[in-house]
Amino acid sequence: GESVGLHLPTLSVQEGDNSIINCAYSNSASDYFIWYKQESGKGPQFIIDIRSNMDKRQGQRVTVLLNKTVKHLSLQIAATQPGDSAVYFCAEKEKDTGNQFYFGTGTSLTVIP
Amino acid sequence: GAVVSQHPSRVICKSGTSVKIECRSLDFQATTMFWYRQFPKQSLMLMATSNEGSKATYEQGVEKDKFLINHASLTLSTLTVTSAHPEDSSFYICSARDWGGHEQFFGPGTRLTVL
Repeated sequence: GESVGLHLPTLSVQEGDNSIINCAYSNSASDYFIWYKQESGKGPQFIIDIRSNMDKRQGQRVTVLLNKTVKHLSLQIAATQPGDSAVYFCAEKEKDTGNQFYFGTGTSLTVIP
Repeated sequence: GAVVSQHPSRVICKSGTSVKIECRSLDFQATTMFWYRQFPKQSLMLMATSNEGSKATYEQGVEKDKFLINHASLTLSTLTVTSAHPEDSSFYICSARDWGGHEQFFGPGTRLTVL
């Protein structure tokens, strides 16, 4: 698999603050990226995705930024809520190699009330 | 829409026995399903890619004779852990992708404990 790693294994934020979770990837051929949220004992949930022809995409309270020059991906969560506490993974897919996604290490986000 | 289920959600078995885990796409046809394994506080590691009607493609280091995958229909893939040992204890997660889609939809996972 490809090397997809996260800079910070844990992150604690105060409720209401903004959260930024980072991800570095090594495969310059990756063309599609997804952020997933995983709560304890559950499968990953899709949060937001971005294709390599974009550098920013916004969803509801979340924004993904892609910097292909330095192979860096970030997830920004606005007004973080206790329900956002979970492990967040970035995943990448390489263009034209099929369907496989490779996951990063994960960042555990804890929201302090 | 796009719901994926797994059964069982939790299983405890004795060492040496085989365990079958089912993954079903409930409201779409999944031409491709994926099986992942996740150890505590670690990321998801792709084990194999399962295509309906053909043999599964295993990732490097995953024993195909130990982790048998069958994708007999467009809505069902099964993973059988044969001769399970305590080191096979893990959280097994499947995902499914419909034809032409990029996104994978994940199941809730199966917690396997081998005694």
